[in-house]
Amino acid sequence: DQQVKQNSPSLSVQEGRISILNCDYTNSMFDYFLWYKKYPAEGPTFLISISSIKDKNEDGRFTVFLNKSAKHLSLHIVPSQPGDSAVYFCAARKYSGSARQLTFGSGTQLTVLP
Amino acid sequence: DGGITQSPKYLFRKEGQNVTLSCEQNLNHDAMYWYRQDPGQGLRLIYYSQIVNDFQKGDIAEGYSVSREKKESFPLTVTSAQKNPTAFYLCASSPRTSGRANTGELFFGEGSRLTVL
Repeated sequence: DQQVKQNSPSLSVQEGRISILNCDYTNSMFDYFLWYKKYPAEGPTFLISISSIKDKNEDGRFTVFLNKSAKHLSLHIVPSQPGDSAVYFCAARKYSGSARQLTFGSGTQLTVLP
Repeated sequence: DGGITQSPKYLFRKEGQNVTLSCEQNLNHDAMYWYRQDPGQGLRLIYYSQIVNDFQKGDIAEGYSVSREKKESFPLTVTSAQKNPTAFYLCASSPRTSGRANTGELFFGEGSRLTVL
């Protein structure tokens, strides 16, 4: 039972345009959401997060939107750059006071074309 | 530089052999984790440890074992009982913060790719 789903395994966008990566979840107990970025043969690195009490969080070119009623979040990258080409994982936290309660999606491979 | 070091980066194993993956961190983090990544799947938690000499099973612990004798080290042994061990293994750590301040952010190593021949 996949509680966090990233239904698009891959996405290609032109340099300078907007990249939108989507993530859906089913568990209403999730209260914090994170995006990680992963390059080949490297570990994931934290990118941006959002608490369930907010609907938007922005950090430079990266913005995460949360729609709780739809159980949907999205990551917007504007403008997209070739260096953004990587796999992006969505993760959700179910509060239990422990970091172990992170559930990851299957990832979306973003390719930014020059 | 502070970080997490996993070794080896690539490992080949014959069926029936146990192998141990190393994970060392100098971030002074209390909690450490092992995840497994398979193609088309998210990261799945194998084991985690929140303090020295204590660890708990994650979602897919069968066929794996760990130890946490030192704060800096959290080795993972893939035993012969693990039916499908070929995968990319990621070690992670996080500072120990309690309650909702613990956002769940993890710091990952570069991973170890295990292939069973």
